[in-house]
Amino acid sequence: ETGVTQSPTHLIKTRGQQVTLRCSSQSGHNTVSWYQQALGQGPQFIFQYYREEENGRGNFPPRFSGLQFPNYSSELNVNALELDDSALYLCASSPGTANTEAFFGQGTRLTVV
Amino acid sequence: GQNIDQPTEMTATEGAIVQINCTYQTSGFNGLFWYQQHAGEAPTFLSYNVLDGLEEKGRFSSFLSRSKGYSYLLLKELQMKDSASYLCAGLNDYKLSFGAGTTVTVRA
Repeated sequence: ETGVTQSPTHLIKTRGQQVTLRCSSQSGHNTVSWYQQALGQGPQFIFQYYREEENGRGNFPPRFSGLQFPNYSSELNVNALELDDSALYLCASSPGTANTEAFFGQGTRLTVV
Repeated sequence: GQNIDQPTEMTATEGAIVQINCTYQTSGFNGLFWYQQHAGEAPTFLSYNVLDGLEEKGRFSSFLSRSKGYSYLLLKELQMKDSASYLCAGLNDYKLSFGAGTTVTVRA
């Protein structure tokens, strides 16, 4: 148990819809990073939030957006879903932006049909 | 960023030793992580190396050579439960860049 929780665990959406995924960070951690992991691949960095601000972004289009709340929990929003968005979405929390102690939640499995 | 390369698959016998190699680009490097991931589950932290040398933690050891852009994870006294994907990840500033993972299969 890492103390990082994500919801929901599984989700099925239709192409074109919008989805919101949620992450509660480990106690004492103020930084949350989101990753997309396609089947058979390693996780790909989407973005990081630190103290409610986006602190860095990977190579993902603007329809991937996020929020971080004062309690450091976070949301990942994806608009205009595409079939290729089907993946495991992982949230990792850490006590600072250096990410030297990043712990992952169990992930949300998103299927777009 | 980092280009992380690691083998796709490895198979070994219960009780044996397996070494998983990982190479990465050295620009902007801040450290090297190894994670274990069982199918359908989240990655779990195994090790973090920022200095050259070997770090040992029980049956698992991790080695780093910064000048060569090279790391390995050594799994000793393999157990069936060690069958999993092992992910090498380079830390560049704040971002973890992962390899595709090495699937290790332990056979009886």
